[in-house]
Amino acid sequence: GIQVEQSPPDLILQEGANSTLRCNFSDSVNNLQWFHQNPWGQLINLFYIPSGTKQNGRLSATTVATERYSLLYISSSQTTDSGVYFCAVHTGGFKTIFGAGTRLFVKA
Amino acid sequence: ETGVTQTPRHLVMGMTNKKSLKCEQHLGHNAMYWYKQSAKKPLELMFVYNFKEQTENNSVPSRFSPECPNSSHLFLHLHTLQPEDSALYLCASSQAGSSYNEQFFGPGTRLTVL
Repeated sequence: GIQVEQSPPDLILQEGANSTLRCNFSDSVNNLQWFHQNPWGQLINLFYIPSGTKQNGRLSATTVATERYSLLYISSSQTTDSGVYFCAVHTGGFKTIFGAGTRLFVKA
Repeated sequence: ETGVTQTPRHLVMGMTNKKSLKCEQHLGHNAMYWYKQSAKKPLELMFVYNFKEQTENNSVPSRFSPECPNSSHLFLHLHTLQPEDSALYLCASSQAGSSYNEQFFGPGTRLTVL
């Protein structure tokens, strides 16, 4: 089946720093989502981005479907950005494969 | 209520108990999902229902029994669970159609099996 790999697995940032999270997938996908899981377990939708670039405030994402990767950019990080960031790919039908996540900690 | 809600938020049960998890979506979607998130493992898709019909069952043990009476409600019935079933159980919904499948998640039920 399709493999989804996220990097880095862990990331520590000083408040105000920028970062790039990566999601690689091993086969063609129908679409891709980025989520932020807060400390209470809630998954928050960040981007639905099968291809191209989208921006929402300090966050932006780019998916290059032909090269099978997606990037999530966080600029001017804040302590509230801490948590786990997941990418999830949707393949045929309703199959959804999540990556293992990037655990981010932003220090004040 | 808005979005996707789940009850209870926390559940502790013994291995011989029977309990149910409930999920309700207020987004007008037609597909609903159950996921399991164990410690230090990626989210695993368990079941998918589309228009109340089960479309995915990822080899989930029979001690987990889903029920979808309508497109807005989804249940997960639990019986004779094992301690390794302790996890965060997440429900999601989406408006299925073509390849558009953006999923929205509930807050989860944190289950502990003693």
